Amino acid sequence: DADVTQTPRNRITKTGKRIMLECSQTKGHDRMYWYRQDPGLGLRLIYYSFDVKDINKGEISDGYSVSRQAQAKFSLSLESAIPNQTALYFCATSDNGLLGYGYTFGSGTRLTVV
Amino acid sequence: AQKVTQAQTEISVVEKEDVTLDCVYETRDTTYYLFWYKQPPSGELVFLIRRNSFDEQNEISGRYSWNFQKSTSSFNFTITASQVVDSAVYFCALRRGTSYDKVIFGPGTSLSVIP
Repeated sequence: DADVTQTPRNRITKTGKRIMLECSQTKGHDRMYWYRQDPGLGLRLIYYSFDVKDINKGEISDGYSVSRQAQAKFSLSLESAIPNQTALYFCATSDNGLLGYGYTFGSGTRLTVV
Repeated sequence: AQKVTQAQTEISVVEKEDVTLDCVYETRDTTYYLFWYKQPPSGELVFLIRRNSFDEQNEISGRYSWNFQKSTSSFNFTITASQVVDSAVYFCALRRGTSYDKVIFGPGTSLSVIP
């Protein structure tokens, strides 16, 4: 099994629908992140969580919400999907940062809003 | 402010050519970490290398090599004798050396290796 699992892998949804992207991890990391990737823009941070009781907005949080159900689970919701939220979404985990390690990424969720 | 610039949006090379991907970063910190990730056409992000700011030794791993120069704030990535399987988007990234900061990614360079 993958260290970081994202579901679904692909999703097509209609404008205005609510959709949830799920992420679970077996790394035992406290920190989890949601990024979106758009061509030419790299990865932009949506939300992040340093532990179960800690949720923080990233640079592009408008239109999104998250839930940290447990140390291993971090879900991203689009309350009312719009076409410009069509993107590749990545969940990632990391250690506490003191050793400067990077992220472990999930395989991504390709979301299309029509 | 932290920033990562990858000025090359797209690069095409013929197989077996060498290619260098540029990465320039900005930070005021003395302790920081730099990364390269590869994203093949299948979409996953693959970790390639991590380098801390106190280690300016160049690193070589097979056909891959990395040149870290603090004087020019650059962390360039060279692929020697490129292969079609090297075709991917490559991201350079930066993380501060504190426990409460995230990784900042550059916009990526799309490399196409033509057979």
